[in-house]
Amino acid sequence: DTGVSQDPRHKITKRGQNVTFRCDPISEHNRLYWYRQTLGQGPEFLTYFQNEAQLEKSRLLSDRFSAERPKGSFSTLEIQRTEQGDSAMYLCASSRPGDEQFFGPGTRLTVL
Amino acid sequence: AQSVTQLGSHVSVSEGALVLLRCNYSSSVPPYLFWYVQYPNQGLQLLLKYTSAATLVKGINGFEAEFKKSETSFHLTKPSAHMSDAAEYFCAVSNGNNQGGKLIFGQGTELSVKP
Repeated sequence: DTGVSQDPRHKITKRGQNVTFRCDPISEHNRLYWYRQTLGQGPEFLTYFQNEAQLEKSRLLSDRFSAERPKGSFSTLEIQRTEQGDSAMYLCASSRPGDEQFFGPGTRLTVL
Repeated sequence: AQSVTQLGSHVSVSEGALVLLRCNYSSSVPPYLFWYVQYPNQGLQLLLKYTSAATLVKGINGFEAEFKKSETSFHLTKPSAHMSDAAEYFCAVSNGNNQGGKLIFGQGTELSVKP
């Protein structure tokens, strides 16, 4: 399968802990996006990369959130000092410039 | 700024009936418009997209949508609903290649199909 993959699929953590998620895009896609989806809502844009450069960050991405794409391939999203309000589905998508985005299965985060 | 409004958070139809999911958009530039479907605990799958070519767009699984600039609408239809169509549907807008092509989503419409 050459689609977008995300790891882990589910993460349960205690408030105050740090968590890190990984996204592996489709190999020939140089754009990578992160979205957050809370229950009953549509996905909200967090940030995107073109190759290794992070070109835009949403206001939703507080200082506790950091994303990297060090070699222009996979990306990581880290949340420090998690809060209950961080509980959500974190979706990754990839695309070629101007093309449709392909989404991964998501990582569901539960903060207790 | 761009935005999307999906009218009706929940739509219920009988199997074999017409499916109509409504989407209105706001955009200061010619928009790219998308419909995605999401099954429980899964990511989003693209149903169809409008990128300034034909205004009637055909997608997968028998769905289609019509771009109406005068009405700022991009409603999704399917002539005959199937049980497997039950899912959450999201309409989204982007600026195409501008602003990195980020998607702005509506709130979603949950489609239920009754036997």
